[in-house]
Amino acid sequence: QKEVEQDPGPLSVPEGAIVSLNCTYSNSAFQYFMWYRQYSRKGPELLMYTYSSGNKEDGRFTAQVDKSSKYISLFIRDSQPSDSATYLCAMTSGNTPLVFGKGTRLSVIA
Amino acid sequence: NAGVMQNPRHLVRRRGQEARLRCSPMKGHSHVYWYRQLPEEGLKFMVYLQKENIIDESGMPKERFSAEFPKEGPSILRIQQVVRGDSAAYFCASSPPPGIGQPQHFGDGTRLSIL
Repeated sequence: QKEVEQDPGPLSVPEGAIVSLNCTYSNSAFQYFMWYRQYSRKGPELLMYTYSSGNKEDGRFTAQVDKSSKYISLFIRDSQPSDSATYLCAMTSGNTPLVFGKGTRLSVIA
Repeated sequence: NAGVMQNPRHLVRRRGQEARLRCSPMKGHSHVYWYRQLPEEGLKFMVYLQKENIIDESGMPKERFSAEFPKEGPSILRIQQVVRGDSAAYFCASSPPPGIGQPQHFGDGTRLSIL
């Protein structure tokens, strides 16, 4: 079983839709969870950073962490064509290197 | 722009040559991380450094690869005697102290092509 699993997509949604992106993980020691957005030929851009379980909201983005289920989510409200990118989840225990999912490719169609 | 700066953006080498990739962290960040990204493979951790110290190199290949972060100047990832399989995008990230667990910010990478 891979440490972090992420559906690669591609995921295609109409403009204005709510997008749900998810990752599952196997290491119960993970405590710090991040979501990155990566445009083609660019570096990952940090979107959300959360510690332990719970929700965090920032503008149109909401990150959820359910440590009991080893499941994290990123929701994008009112999706825009500019949200079209690859979304990467990443996590660490705080003592070990960051482990990334393979990324989900999202296309928002105008 | 005080973001993570990587250069060169693109690097072409012939098999057997050396590749040197440079990374300047964000202002105020003293921790640097190097990752490799292959198509369909995702980002893989290589090495974690602080100034003048390698903290964790568990992701570095045992041969031909080395990294440093000197007291002055950028962090360097060095690949000796490059082979075709080294072709990839190499990303550097930095974070504030105390390091792992803090949010990491990435540069735009160096795309290495081996002829």
